Amino acid sequence: AQKITQTQPGMFVQEKEAVTLDCTYDTSDQSYGLFWYKQPSSGEMIFLIYQGSYDEQNATEGRYSLNFQKARKSANLVISASQLGDSAMYFCAMREGAQGAQKLVFGQGTRLTINP
Amino acid sequence: DAGVTQSPTHLIKTRGQQVTLRCSPKSGHDTVSWYQQALGQGPQFIFQYYEEEERQRGNFPDRFSGHQFPNYSSELNVNALLLGDSALYLCASSLDSARDTQYFGPGTRLTVL
Repeated sequence: AQKITQTQPGMFVQEKEAVTLDCTYDTSDQSYGLFWYKQPSSGEMIFLIYQGSYDEQNATEGRYSLNFQKARKSANLVISASQLGDSAMYFCAMREGAQGAQKLVFGQGTRLTINP
Repeated sequence: DAGVTQSPTHLIKTRGQQVTLRCSPKSGHDTVSWYQQALGQGPQFIFQYYEEEERQRGNFPDRFSGHQFPNYSSELNVNALLLGDSALYLCASSLDSARDTQYFGPGTRLTVL
């Protein structure tokens, strides 16, 4: 069974608009972490934002925020005021388990294109 | 503060050959993980090294092996290369902490002909 599901293969958004990238996850663990990474065409995975399963507040990092709905097992990434440089692949990932078990499981990714 | 570095950037090999990829973790990090990313896919976990030992392994054959050195740098070795091993190989480093983030290097693109 797929642990991380990203249902949007591609998204096209006008510059300066907000965009939401969807991510749902599947786990039976109580302790887990959710991550979003950005991968430009150069290939490097750039860390954007982290949400722990016990965190009460939704995570925010500058223009990025994570809409965490634990009961629905969703962790959507919201990018406000999109910029041309936001065009890239975006991956949602999950880390399960306690300390020492740091394997990340990734979704298939969403290709975001920002149009001028 | 140097981030995660990987070498080489690109590599071309032929089937049956062996390859070694290298990774230096971010300063202060003690854990190194390796991932394989095929074209159009998300990264797949290969294995993780901590205290010079393989701590966790994904669903990869024994042809994939690794090593971690006392300075925390790491190598990924792949023997008897197959065409299907062509991929971007990503190294990530982190601190041994349940809440720590994995930071990735730029990757090594391996092409097997």
